[in-house]
Amino acid sequence: GNSVTQMEGPVTLSEEAFLTINCTYTATGYPSLFWYVQYPGEGLQLLLKATKADDKGSNKGFEATYRKETTSFHLEKGSVQVSDSAVYFCALSDPGGSQGNLIFGKGTKLSVKP
Amino acid sequence: NAGVTQTPKFQVLKTGQSMTLQCAQDMNHEYMSWYRQDPGMGLRLIHYSVGAGITDQGEVPNGYNVSRSTTEDFPLRLLSAAPSQTSVYFCASSEPGQGVTEAFFGQGTRLTVV
Repeated sequence: GNSVTQMEGPVTLSEEAFLTINCTYTATGYPSLFWYVQYPGEGLQLLLKATKADDKGSNKGFEATYRKETTSFHLEKGSVQVSDSAVYFCALSDPGGSQGNLIFGKGTKLSVKP
Repeated sequence: NAGVTQTPKFQVLKTGQSMTLQCAQDMNHEYMSWYRQDPGMGLRLIHYSVGAGITDQGEVPNGYNVSRSTTEDFPLRLLSAAPSQTSVYFCASSEPGQGVTEAFFGQGTRLTVV
């Protein structure tokens, strides 16, 4: 079935460090891919998205490229800030089911220290 | 913009009690869904609805009922609460007809069953 695997956390970085959170997926068909972010005590917010192979999503200094050949959608940021501390979820839209269904990875908790 | 509103934010139930988690959206989205978030498990789909009068089961539907009498509201009912239902519940809405499923999430309901 369709699934998302992302790197286990927690991840602890110093301010201005480079961030990579790995995400790979298994899907039949051509899903859209997403990164959602959850700040402490809040719901999930869309961070970025990509709808087809080789698309790059970007927002707030974060980037991720839809790689069909490696079935990956890794999240990167060149210089993290304390305010980036949150839980990050990789997700795909279920191409075989209802268009609204999202399949999530388990989440990666990021802590950025000053 | 209210977006997606969930009530209550916190709830403690005794085993066997029933309750309804409320969810309302003001974006006129056809698609609504309920997820539960458990540590190390990511978000798992409980039930979803593609429009008023239409509901379907997700990955973990047992112990929960839903109905969709209006476009705006999508309540989740726990029929007889069990400790295994202790979780954080998120309601989401989206408009899949636009081709990319960007979901908007509520703030969540933290439920504890004792």
